[in-house]
Amino acid sequence: DAKTTQPNSMESNEEEPVHLPCNHSTISGTDYIHWYRQLPSQGPEYVIHGLTSNVNNRMASLAIAEDRKSSTLILHRATLRDAAVYYCILSSSGTYKYIFGTGTRLKVLA
Amino acid sequence: GAGVSQSPSNKVTEKGKDVELRCDPISGHTALYWYRQSLGQGLEFLIYFQGNSAPDKSGLPSDRFSAERTGGSVSTLTIQRTQQEDSAVYLCASSPSGGYGYTFGSGTRLTVV
Repeated sequence: DAKTTQPNSMESNEEEPVHLPCNHSTISGTDYIHWYRQLPSQGPEYVIHGLTSNVNNRMASLAIAEDRKSSTLILHRATLRDAAVYYCILSSSGTYKYIFGTGTRLKVLA
Repeated sequence: GAGVSQSPSNKVTEKGKDVELRCDPISGHTALYWYRQSLGQGLEFLIYFQGNSAPDKSGLPSDRFSAERTGGSVSTLTIQRTQQEDSAVYLCASSPSGGYGYTFGSGTRLTVV
């Protein structure tokens, strides 16, 4: 399975944008990029996913590099509720087993 | 229910005892997954069920671990002769089909004393 690399932790001020990076230099052409986040004492929840084009939804935006070797999850205005561990995961079309790394722990400062 | 339900939410057991953890997936979801999360760690894949296909058990750490899914719905993860290293949060997830849109439950926190 293709591997992802994320910083262990990041901090952001409330109401400011947050850019969470993910490197996936061994990504293959059929790998989708998924982001999940895990709030304290909860199971992970889906945030966004994409293949090649940038994606937007009500929670976040996903910016995918042209060579697809990296991507960035963008939270447009961080709130205290966004404090969580964010996981970047690759999955190939037709496979089902997500390999979770240790993710990025986001701390939001009031 | 609207989400994935896991029970119990907390379980404390003595070393050597057997435990059963239950997962009720979202109705209609054909895929069901079990993961384990040790303190401060990422999620470790355990097992995957998809419809009537044979489950992928490749993540089960030892033969003390087993899981079944009855009627394509409820799943039970069984740990026999529990050890202290089995202490973790056990998370269940389901999805409409394999590979997309996981919805996780809140997990069962297992403590082996």
